[in-house]
Amino acid sequence: NAGVTQTPKFQVLKTGQSMTLQCAQDMNHEYMSWYRQDPGMGLRLIHYSVGAGITDQGEVPNGYNVSRSTTEDFPLRLLSAAPSQTSVYFCASSSRGSGNYGYTFGSGTRLTVV
Amino acid sequence: AQSVTQLGSHVSVSEGALVLLRCNYSSSVPPYLFWYVQYPNQGLQLLLKYTTGATLVKGINGFEAEFKKSETSFHLTKPSAHMSDAAEYFCAVSESGGSYIPTFGRGTSLIVHP
Repeated sequence: NAGVTQTPKFQVLKTGQSMTLQCAQDMNHEYMSWYRQDPGMGLRLIHYSVGAGITDQGEVPNGYNVSRSTTEDFPLRLLSAAPSQTSVYFCASSSRGSGNYGYTFGSGTRLTVV
Repeated sequence: AQSVTQLGSHVSVSEGALVLLRCNYSSSVPPYLFWYVQYPNQGLQLLLKYTTGATLVKGINGFEAEFKKSETSFHLTKPSAHMSDAAEYFCAVSESGGSYIPTFGRGTSLIVHP
């Protein structure tokens, strides 16, 4: 089925470890974003991309890196995990050309840093 | 800059009663407005959107919202609540002509009592 696929669904990291959260979409959407969701905080934007090779920072970018080498993939890298990065991470994509402007979300990655 | 305020982190209604979830936005340009729903342990799903045209928009599951520019509001309503409507609801705004990256409110948890 078409949509946004996130892997893994669950992950436990030790402080200082690094990892990459994967995100792939098969809808040829030019816009992709990463959000983190914390209780009472809603969704906060980490990084976003408006097309292959173009990325920019969102509201809470510190400790995270992204790249966009293809239209389909937008991985999020945690360089040195910290307990404050314990959260649920959502990847989302959208296409301006569709006239929809609404975002399609993945099912999320629940990350715990101990 | 854009922002969203959702009034009430929790709203409790009886089954069959009117649902009203409040959302006020701030935007320096004409906004695009969205409501998303999140069921437990799932990603966000688009309920409805306003981009241009008719200010009363209808979405899935019997929900609707009205864009009121003078009040900078986009409240979500449903005439009769069902138990299955219990979920977290997020209002979001993006700026037309801008990056189209939405900013989300902190969410409102809808509780439906039998």
